[in-house]
Amino acid sequence: QQQVKQSPQSLIVQKGGISIINCAYENTAFDYFPWYQQFPGKGPALLIAIRPDVSEKKEGRFTISFNKSAKQFSLHIMDSQPGDSATYFCAAFTSGTYKYIFGTGTRLKVLA
Amino acid sequence: DAGITQSPRHKVTETGTPVTLRCHQTENHRYMYWYRQDPGHGLRLIHYSYGVKDTDKGEVSDGYSVSRSKTEDFLLTLESATSSQTSVYFCAISESIGTGVRGYTFGSGTRLTVV
Repeated sequence: QQQVKQSPQSLIVQKGGISIINCAYENTAFDYFPWYQQFPGKGPALLIAIRPDVSEKKEGRFTISFNKSAKQFSLHIMDSQPGDSATYFCAAFTSGTYKYIFGTGTRLKVLA
Repeated sequence: DAGITQSPRHKVTETGTPVTLRCHQTENHRYMYWYRQDPGHGLRLIHYSYGVKDTDKGEVSDGYSVSRSKTEDFLLTLESATSSQTSVYFCAISESIGTGVRGYTFGSGTRLTVV
């Protein structure tokens, strides 16, 4: 049961470009939406997160855009760098529960 | 990785043999999780624990069992390994990071190959 749909599965971007990864969810009870970044051979690590009471959150070159009515959220990486090459997972969580629902992941490659 | 250690890091085993993966945390967190990561499927929850001897099934629990006899250790056992269980296994802990919100921290993973 896939409750969080992530796209694209893979993405290639030139250095300096903008990387955009999209996620859509179904369950309106979700109220916390984190993004995780995973480098090869490592576990996923929290990158940035948003709650649905705001439409955008920015941390450095990373921005989450959130559209509550469309039940969609996206990660934008501005000025993408080769060091951003990694797998990115979106996730959704309902307060008071104990489990995240993860998207299927996007493998990003930034060309030098 | 925030006091989470997985062992072994790599293992090759034969079909039909039992395998146990270990997750050890030094953070005294109540909640611990086992996920498997496969291409095209992302991270899927196998089992989780909400305290010593308290565990529950995730979405892909068939063929797996878990045990938690101490707060710091969460064991995942493949009773009789099959090739479909070849995967990368991640342990995670969660902690409260806000009102009702929990943040996950993952270990570095165990790459298991069943031949």
